[in-house]
Parts: sequence; C-alpha cells; structure tokens
Amino acid sequence: QKEVEQNSGPLSVPEGAIASLNCTYSDRGSQSFFWYRQYSGKSPELIMFIYSNGDKEDGRFTAQLNKASQYVSLLIRDSQPSDSATYLCAVSRSGSARQLTFGSGTQLTVLP
Amino acid sequence: KAGVTQTPRYLIKTRGQQVTLSCSPISGHRSVSWYQQTPGQGLQFLFEYFSETQRNKGNFPGRFSGRQFSNSRSEMNVSTLELGDSALYLCASSPFGASETPLHFGNGTRLTVT
Repeated sequence: QKEVEQNSGPLSVPEGAIASLNCTYSDRGSQSFFWYRQYSGKSPELIMFIYSNGDKEDGRFTAQLNKASQYVSLLIRDSQPSDSATYLCAVSRSGSARQLTFGSGTQLTVLP
Repeated sequence: KAGVTQTPRYLIKTRGQQVTLSCSPISGHRSVSWYQQTPGQGLQFLFEYFSETQRNKGNFPGRFSGRQFSNSRSEMNVSTLELGDSALYLCASSPFGASETPLHFGNGTRLTVT
C-alpha cells in the first residue's frame, strides 16, 4: 500500500463545474496536509494546506480533512480551463512541513 | 521577495560523471529541502538542511549528498551518475521554527543523464 494514494485520472470536468480530487494516506500520525498544482514542465505550486479536521476555504478552493478516515480532498468550484494541471497531495508525518510524502498526482482537465 | 532560485535550469551529463546543483533560498529562510521528481517514482524527499546540518534524509543511496552554507544557500551533489538519476530536482526553503510553514518550491533543475 502506498503511503499517499490518489486517483491518477485523468479527471475531466466541464468549465464551471466542481472538480473533486481525493487523497488517502496510511500513516495515522500524519499531521499536515498540502495540495500542490503542477503544470506540465513546471515546478509544483502550493494551493492549500490544512492541519485540522474539517473544511478550509480559499477562494474557489476548499480543502477537506477527515483524520479518522485518513482522507483529504480538494474541491475546485467554478473550474476554469486554466485549472487544468496535475494536482499533488502531500502529507507530512513528523510534524515537519519540510519532509513531505507525495501522492502520484491526479491529472485534471477542464473542458471549455 | 524573490523566490527560491535554482541553478542551472538544465543539465546534461554522462553516466559515471558527477553533478552539483545549487539552491538559493528565499531571503530569511534558513531551512532548505531537496526533492527528486521522476515520472515513475513521482516526487520523493531527498534531504533537509538547517543551520548547515542535515536534519532529515530520504531513502536514497549515498551517491546523493548535500550541504548548506552559512548564508543558507545549499548544494546537492550526485556522484557516479546513473541513467535513473535523470529527473527534475527541486529545492524548497522555509523558515525554521515551531510553527509549520508550507514549502514553496524553486523552478527546479532538470538533469538528463545519457
């Protein structure tokens, strides 16, 4: 079992729809959770981070964390073609945000 | 504020050679982490440096090493290059403290080993 699992996709949604990206992790000691977006040929850029159970909203993005289920998700509302990218879920185990374990990423395509 | 700067952006080396990659952190950031990204293995943690000391190390062979200088700039070195070392090498910096601070990555160095 991989430490951090994501559906590789590709996930396609029409413009304006809600895109839902999911991630599960195996280490119950995980404390910090991050979503990065990576465009082809570029480096990952941080979108959201969440430390506590529940929802955290930032603009069109909402991160959801359920530590009991070891599940973290990212919702993108009003999806735009510019949101088309690979979304990486990352987890820090030791309480150090600097040592992250990444999932393999979900490729999202937003269709105009 | 300038971001994390990595040099060079692209590098082509031959098997058996060694390579040194450089990373300048965001001003004021004292922790530098290195990651390797390949299509097969994804993003994997290499090591983290703070105050010129390696704090954590990922599961990579000893051919991968690094160091940090007193100005927080960091270098990583890969010796005896193998074809499988072809990857995007990413550096990230953060302040070092009790509170968690998400990592922000530099643009990376793309290494091709032939």
